Formats: sequence, C-alpha cells, structure tokens
Amino acid sequence: DTGVSQNPRHKITKRGQNVTFRCDPISEHNRLYWYRQTLGQGPEFLTYFQNEAQLEKSRLLSDRFSAERPKGSFSTLEIQRTEQGDSAMYLCASSLEGADTGELFFGEGSRLTVL
Amino acid sequence: QQQVKQSPQSLIVQKGGIPIINCAYENTAFDYFPWYQQFPGKGPALLIAIRPDVSEKKEGRFTISFNKSAKQFSLHIMDSQPGDSATYFCAASKTHAGNMLTFGGGTRLMVKP
Repeated sequence: DTGVSQNPRHKITKRGQNVTFRCDPISEHNRLYWYRQTLGQGPEFLTYFQNEAQLEKSRLLSDRFSAERPKGSFSTLEIQRTEQGDSAMYLCASSLEGADTGELFFGEGSRLTVL
Repeated sequence: QQQVKQSPQSLIVQKGGIPIINCAYENTAFDYFPWYQQFPGKGPALLIAIRPDVSEKKEGRFTISFNKSAKQFSLHIMDSQPGDSATYFCAASKTHAGNMLTFGGGTRLMVKP
C-alpha cells in the first residue's frame, strides 16, 4: 500500500512534554497538509507545504506548534509543552498540484492524548 | 468563522432509505466541493466531488446537488446500506490557492438493517 503513512498512530503524553508526529505522503505528491480533528468535529486546517516550502499556517497553529518538510518528502509536526487542549487526532494529507480531481489523500491519523 | 455549515449532525435511516445531508458555504471564491466519508479510527476518504459549473453529479449511489446562487450543496445516498454507516463531511476549497479544504462539522449516519 503506497498511501499516506502516519506515525505513531497513538501517543499518550503528560502535560508539558514535547511530541513529534511524522507523515510520509504519497511519493509523487508535492503538496502536504496537516489537519487537527477533535471528537465529533470536522478536521481543521493547520498548515500546508508545497514541496519544502510552508506556504500557509492557520491561526490555530500556536507558537508551540512547528512543522517541517525539509526535503519536500516526509513532514514532521512537533508540539512543544503539550496542554490537555492539544488532545486530538492529527491528520496528514497529500495531493498533487494541478491534478484534475483536487483530491486530498488522508492518512489514518496520529491520536494524541495529553494527561 | 465557520465557513462551511453542515446539517444534520446525525441521521438514522432504514436500509434502502435515501439520507440527505446539507451544506452551506459563505466564501464565493470556493471552487471545489468534495464530500468525504470517515469510518471510526480511519482518515477521511473522498467519496464524490463537484465544481460550481455543474448542478448535479452522480457516482454510483451517491449524488451531489449544487445550488450556486443559494451557496448550498447536498449529498444524497440512494438505496442506503448498513455499510454506509459512517461520518460524512462536506468541504470546500479554492483550488487556485493551495486547495486547503475547509470542512463542515460532520454528519453521523446510521443505516439500520
């Protein structure tokens, strides 16, 4: 299966700790997106990369959040000094710029629980 | 600001029924309107999508109706099956500006056998 891969699938951490999530997009996709989804809600956009450039960041992305895509392939999302409100599913998606369908392909997500 | 509003939040139908989920958007710059299906523990997956130059699109048992003047679109599921029980999200994006999806709040559908 060559879909979007996210690791770890589930992370439990204590408040104040740092966590990092990794996303491996579909190999030929040059666009990569991070979303956050809380229980019973729709995914909320966090940030977007085209190749290695971070082109858009939501106001939801506080200073404690940082995302990178150093070589235009995989991406990491780091949350520093986690808070209980950070508990959510973090979804990664990828797409191909200019593709006719406009489809974003999502991974299965990384669920964060902050105790 | 919630740019895409979805209703109802939950829906229960009998097998064979036709659930209808509605969405309304505010930003007239949106030019791509997909519906995503999500099963528990999984990421959302594209079901069907429409662009504003057409009023209806059908793929199998799924139909999108689009009303550009009212800024509304809806999903109809024909001959619904228990396997269609999932959460459905409408979304909208500007494909010319990064294609970042703005999602509705979701509709939890249960199809009873």
